[in-house]
Amino acid sequence: KAGVTQTPRYLIKTRGQQVTLSCSPISGHRSVSWYQQTPGQGLQFLFEYFSETQRNKGNFPGRFSGRQFSNSRSEMNVSTLELGDSALYLCASTATGPGVSEAFFGQGTRLTVV
Amino acid sequence: SQQGEEDPQALSIQEGENATMNCSYKTSINNLQWYRQNSGRGLVHLILIRSNEREKHSGRLRVTLDTSKKSSSLLITASRAADTASYFCATDAGGNTGKLIFGQGTTLQVKP
Repeated sequence: KAGVTQTPRYLIKTRGQQVTLSCSPISGHRSVSWYQQTPGQGLQFLFEYFSETQRNKGNFPGRFSGRQFSNSRSEMNVSTLELGDSALYLCASTATGPGVSEAFFGQGTRLTVV
Repeated sequence: SQQGEEDPQALSIQEGENATMNCSYKTSINNLQWYRQNSGRGLVHLILIRSNEREKHSGRLRVTLDTSKKSSSLLITASRAADTASYFCATDAGGNTGKLIFGQGTTLQVKP
């Protein structure tokens, strides 16, 4: 069974630009969550989608948004990039929800904002 | 703030020794998961222990959970150089919130 696939693996963007990251969950998994990892803040929850609906959202500004498609693939978008958005963005896939069953992570997208 | 606190922050041992990492959390949970991360890459799921379980084994891994103390430990026996990584515990928020709360992690170095 294929794992969680995140694309692209690396991105370099300029301040003020926007970026879209993609996540394909494990086949059959309907929940996709996104996390930001930085050296200073650690792993922080961004949002979770289940059956195309955002169920929960972390404490991030509105510049961070996401969506989920009918095939459970998810995208997250960051608009008006800031230097502080440089981070490893990880997505996790679960069958029903991270609090209920194992969450499996992708390799992440390393975003660098210059 | 982070739910989980991990201890120690860093651990350095020789190959063949055992490594123990601890995690404490603040609120009630449904389950607790342990992950490994190699050098800024993705998180690898190691083990999930439910709130009604006290101990769980997987290969060289042994996880315990003490809900009365709100703490968990991960023991890696007979460590190998390949175990060198950061280890994180993650808890749910006590309901189906769709959110995992991570500790700051323990960086383990296993010297050959």
